[in-house]
Amino acid sequence: ILNVEQSPQSLHVQEGDSTNFTCSFPSSNFYALHWYRWETAKSPEALFVMTLNGDEKKKGRISATLNTKEGYSYLYIKGSQPEDSATYLCAFWDTGNQFYFGTGTSLTVIP
Amino acid sequence: EPEVTQTPSHQVTQMGQEVILRCVPISNHLYFYWYRQILGQKVEFLVSFYNNEISEKSEIFDDQFSVERPDGSNFTLKIRSTKLEDSAMYFCASLGTSGSGNSYNEQFFGPGTRLTVL
Repeated sequence: ILNVEQSPQSLHVQEGDSTNFTCSFPSSNFYALHWYRWETAKSPEALFVMTLNGDEKKKGRISATLNTKEGYSYLYIKGSQPEDSATYLCAFWDTGNQFYFGTGTSLTVIP
Repeated sequence: EPEVTQTPSHQVTQMGQEVILRCVPISNHLYFYWYRQILGQKVEFLVSFYNNEISEKSEIFDDQFSVERPDGSNFTLKIRSTKLEDSAMYFCASLGTSGSGNSYNEQFFGPGTRLTVL
């Protein structure tokens, strides 16, 4: 069974703080890494699809980096807002076309 | 904006009964997936489907499970004889381009079906 780990498991930050969290995945059989934002009672919403070592993607205040050689990706949120509160999931997509999800990081932004 | 839809939103069934969970993927998408999330646990991959056949399946996807695309629009997951441990949220997803021309595609998830087996 392939392990995709995310840390921390949960995070509470004050509004306006910047934050980041980690997704660790196997460095072999890598095809792509996906980041999702998952709000309670909704379905996961795709944030980024990352494929190349050294990739950096940005969407508004959220950005992500990728290191496929060492098997990790960071997600950064600059100037957190209450509406950023959600669970952030990463999913490792291997060369066999299977997705393996991490356990998620639950972010709470306190106004 | 196109979206993946799933029905029903909640299904309650007796142990041993058959259930069919329905999904309508985004049209012109080619890859389809089923995932499940047991309460309190991580999202687990069940199966991927491409070109009218299963392309990958996980250990969870045993003989009790089957998928089909009966009419070119619906994508169904059937559980033949449900067990208590099948209670979970079941998510369907379809894979399509993000519009950027990148060949590494983005998954779009449906809202999920909550299956409760009594």
